[in-house]
Amino acid sequence: QVQLVESGGGLVKPGGSLRLSCAASGFTFSDYYMGWIRQAPGKGLEWVSYISTTGSTTDYADSLKGRFTISRDNAKNSLYLHMNSLRAEDTAVYYCARELRCFDYWGPGTLVTVSS
Amino acid sequence: DIVMTQSPDSLAVSLGERATINCKSSQSVLYSSNNKNYLAWYQQKPGQPPKLLFYWASTRESGVPDRFSGSGSGTDFTLTISSLQAEDVAVYYCQQHYTSRTFGQGTKVEIK
Repeated sequence: QVQLVESGGGLVKPGGSLRLSCAASGFTFSDYYMGWIRQAPGKGLEWVSYISTTGSTTDYADSLKGRFTISRDNAKNSLYLHMNSLRAEDTAVYYCARELRCFDYWGPGTLVTVSS
Repeated sequence: DIVMTQSPDSLAVSLGERATINCKSSQSVLYSSNNKNYLAWYQQKPGQPPKLLFYWASTRESGVPDRFSGSGSGTDFTLTISSLQAEDVAVYYCQQHYTSRTFGQGTKVEIK
């Protein structure tokens, strides 16, 4: 069965960096686009980024361009999100999701807290 | 960027009654080459990740009860729960993937 498991969240100071990982299993990872979506506490869903099957195409929410970088390692069935210059408003649960027409499978999420 | 606006922000419906959620996109999400609307609906219960309900605006994901239906085209879309059950209490989101990806702000459905 399809499984996505995020890791790498935690407490980070403003201005700091963090790398999130998403381990995929139960499907042919290299056949699918993948994405990151976040949800601030008590708020709605915010799309963050997506990456194509080979990694050749990426896109980001306008508000995040330049600070976040999505990448993938198809040999390791893994998706990553590199986050720099973190701000308090980046505090959220970060979900990775498989994309086929839309986000059809989601991981349970990992919490990122940006606070001094 | 395409802005997705849902209405209402919340609604309370009696058990067994109909619940209707609207989603409007700031520009059409209908792709003319395949006549498909790049619009999905999700359900999120507290403490859980979202669950896909519909893609192509009206194609029900496997396992979704048929009391849920999706409709609309172009810029105006609707998610309908024909007979609300207790387990349908959740926040519902629409999402477009015509250009990049954006979510609506969510609609909270509660029992009256």
